[in-house]
Amino acid sequence: QVQLKESGPGLVQPSQTLSLTCTVSGFSLTSNSVHWVRQPPGKGLEWVGAIWSGGSTDYNSALKSRLSISRDTSKSQVFLKMNSLQTEDTAIYFCTSLSFDYWGQGVMVTVSS
Amino acid sequence: DIQMTQSPSLLSASVGDRVTLSCKASQNIYKYLNWYQQKLGEAPKLLIYYTNSLQTGIPSRFSGSGSGTDYTLTISSLQPEDVATYFCQQYNSWYTFGAGTKLELK
Repeated sequence: QVQLKESGPGLVQPSQTLSLTCTVSGFSLTSNSVHWVRQPPGKGLEWVGAIWSGGSTDYNSALKSRLSISRDTSKSQVFLKMNSLQTEDTAIYFCTSLSFDYWGQGVMVTVSS
Repeated sequence: DIQMTQSPSLLSASVGDRVTLSCKASQNIYKYLNWYQQKLGEAPKLLIYYTNSLQTGIPSRFSGSGSGTDYTLTISSLQPEDVATYFCQQYNSWYTFGAGTKLELK
């Protein structure tokens, strides 16, 4: 069955770089796309970006200058890197399938010194 | 960017009530609208896609309708397990979510 699982550090210092991994199972990244979505505590959802089945990427225009999404298809992993982190980037980060029908459990990232 | 406005932000209803949640887009989204249910501490769950298509495994008391800029999620008979926050999402032009409607039991 399709599963996604996020992993990464729970705490990142301001101005540093966030690195998250989404490990998928039950489908191939070469024929399926993955989105990243984030949710600040107690707030709504924000689309962060996506890596498409062909390997190209698209990003939220508000985050584009700080964001990079890549993948390792042999390991079934998708990577999110976001630099120059600020407190406003504190959120739960989810990875999801193309149609948003499968979601990981999410990983809480706190930006604080 | 397309903005999504949900109303009300908080809704109190009784078990068995028919409940209607609204979502308004800032421009025509041609029915490219999803609805999600999110319970506390969980990931969002897709309920409805393309305005009115029920996702597999979702109870038939959930339904969606709408067109143009105005969309609705209806729960025909509210159950205790439906207490959650509900989000709409447009995918006509990139992806944006509404701020959510928190549904509680009266």
